[in-house]
Amino acid sequence: EDQVTQSPEALRLQEGESSSLNCSYTVSGLRGLFWYRQDPGKGPEFLFTLYSAGEEKEKERLKATLTKKESFLHITAPKPEDSATYLCAVHESGGYQKVTFGTGTKLQVIP
Amino acid sequence: SAVISQKPSRDICQRGTSLTIQCQVDSQVTMMFWYRQQPGQSLTLIATANQGSEATYESGFVIDKFPISRPNLTFSTLTVSNMSPEDSSIYLCSVEERRGAEQYFGPGTRLTVT
Repeated sequence: EDQVTQSPEALRLQEGESSSLNCSYTVSGLRGLFWYRQDPGKGPEFLFTLYSAGEEKEKERLKATLTKKESFLHITAPKPEDSATYLCAVHESGGYQKVTFGTGTKLQVIP
Repeated sequence: SAVISQKPSRDICQRGTSLTIQCQVDSQVTMMFWYRQQPGQSLTLIATANQGSEATYESGFVIDKFPISRPNLTFSTLTVSNMSPEDSSIYLCSVEERRGAEQYFGPGTRLTVT
């Protein structure tokens, strides 16, 4: 069965203090790995899709990378508005496979 | 990307009653999904809503408790039946514009059962 593990569970950063969030996964074959941002009381907002090891995607202060067993979401010089819960999700390949979500990393950026 | 709306945005219901949640998409999509997110937890897939056929339910979720309709390619409903306080949660619908691609989510329905 798919397993998606995110770490840390919570992260508190000073504004401008760069860091990385981790998503490790165990699937027999990867169809796609997704990163989402979720603000309190809202639905998840799509950020990135990664399909193969070595792939990287960037958007403003965020950069997502992928290896065969894990993905990182790097946050460079974060601002308070980056505070949110970041969710990782994995879609296993082969027939019909559902998307499995991790439990998320709750990020707080302090001014 | 698809724009998704949900109604109601929140509700407080009494034990034993039922609530129907609506999900509307601004474009035609093949795949629609219903998730539950309990406080402080991640998303759990309830079912996949297929247009023109029965929904496909995940382990632990049954049609009698969570009947789903999908009358066309832009609309779906999820009913939470015979509610108990354990059903208090956020219910989210999502769409996948093509198989294997990212999902886009609605704003969610916050349900409290007293």
